[in-house]
Amino acid sequence: DARVTQTPRHKVTEMGQEVTMRCQPILGHNTVFWYRQTMMQGLELLAYFRNRAPLDDSGMPKDRFSAEMPDATLATLKIQPSEPRDSAVYFCASGLDPARMETQYFGPGTRLLVL
Amino acid sequence: EDQVTQSPEALRLQEGESSSLNCSYTVSGLRGLFWYRQDPGKGPEFLFTLYSAGEEKEKERLKATLTKKESFLHITAPKPEDSATYLCAVQELSGGSYIPTFGRGTSLIVHP
Repeated sequence: DARVTQTPRHKVTEMGQEVTMRCQPILGHNTVFWYRQTMMQGLELLAYFRNRAPLDDSGMPKDRFSAEMPDATLATLKIQPSEPRDSAVYFCASGLDPARMETQYFGPGTRLLVL
Repeated sequence: EDQVTQSPEALRLQEGESSSLNCSYTVSGLRGLFWYRQDPGKGPEFLFTLYSAGEEKEKERLKATLTKKESFLHITAPKPEDSATYLCAVQELSGGSYIPTFGRGTSLIVHP
């Protein structure tokens, strides 16, 4: 049963601390997406990669957020320094083609609380 | 200005009481409209893709339709297990990137 895994599932941290979220895409998927979900804004695309190369990060605050894909089995999203407004659920999704959203599978999310 | 607006925000139904959820959108170059189901504490799960006005897709008690300005998710004779948040999203091609924009969802509760 192939699925996207994310760690940690929950994270509580203090303002100013670095936060790293990890995602393992489904084996064979070459596209990875990072989303953020809040009550106010809903689900927003932050960035996506294809074949480990960043294709779009226009939704990501550049000054504090960074996304990387060091290898085909790991994608990371870092926030440094974290702020209370970053509190949200962060989802990773993997797929076969960025044009085909129907091939995207979402992970369970990392619930982040910044105090 | 929201590009994707879902209504109602919340909907309570009795088991067997059919209804429809609405998703209206204002994008210039629609590549596709997508419906998802999201259960509490989980990621969205894909339901349907619609590409052109007049298109319809069906799965069990759910039926999705699309016009030039909106989409409907019809739920026929719902059961308690249909309780979830239903999200719609539109996809545009912008500057060479495929950008999805999601609505805020409709929270559906079906009472037995």
